[in-house]
Amino acid sequence: DQQVKQNSPSLSVQEGRISILNCDYTNSMFDYFLWYKKYPAEGPTFLISISSIKDKNEDGRFTVFLNKSAKHLSLHIVPSQPGDSAVYFCAASQYYGQNFVFGPGTRLSVLP
Amino acid sequence: DSGVTQTPKHLITATGQRVTLRCSPRSGDLSVYWYQQSLDQGLQFLIQYYNGEERAKGNILERFSAQQFPDLHSELNLSSLELGDSALYFCASSPPGLDRGTDTQYFGPGTRLTVL
Repeated sequence: DQQVKQNSPSLSVQEGRISILNCDYTNSMFDYFLWYKKYPAEGPTFLISISSIKDKNEDGRFTVFLNKSAKHLSLHIVPSQPGDSAVYFCAASQYYGQNFVFGPGTRLSVLP
Repeated sequence: DSGVTQTPKHLITATGQRVTLRCSPRSGDLSVYWYQQSLDQGLQFLIQYYNGEERAKGNILERFSAQQFPDLHSELNLSSLELGDSALYFCASSPPGLDRGTDTQYFGPGTRLTVL
């Protein structure tokens, strides 16, 4: 049973345009959500997080939106750059300090 | 460079064997997490240690065990290896404080295990 889903295995976007990566979860007890970026041959790198008391968190070109009623979150990257090409993982946790549940990842390709 | 180190980088072994993966967390981090990433799969949480004690357990097989030592480095032991254990194994660490390591997990580069 996959509690965190990323239904798009891959996404291609033109440089300068917006990238939107989606994530759905099934466990209503999740209250903390994160996005990680992973380049080949490297470990995942933390990108941005959001707690369930917020519906939006912004950090530079990256914005995460949370829709609790729909159990859906999305990561917006504006403008997209070729260096953003990587696999993006959505992760969720229940209570601070608890283990994460990761989605399967979405491979983003930003085309110059 | 996240500051988390993992050795070895690659490991090739045979079914039925036992291996040990090692992780050194970032300086000052008390929590260590182990994850498994199989081909085309997401990261599966295996186990977390905090300051030497087991804190949380995920989908870790009984054939697998881990420990965190007084110097805070951690080892993941995999025994009676099967073909399906071939995967990338990541270690992550997080700083102490507020019991909230969830937004600051720093991942190592991973160990690629191949079981033949």
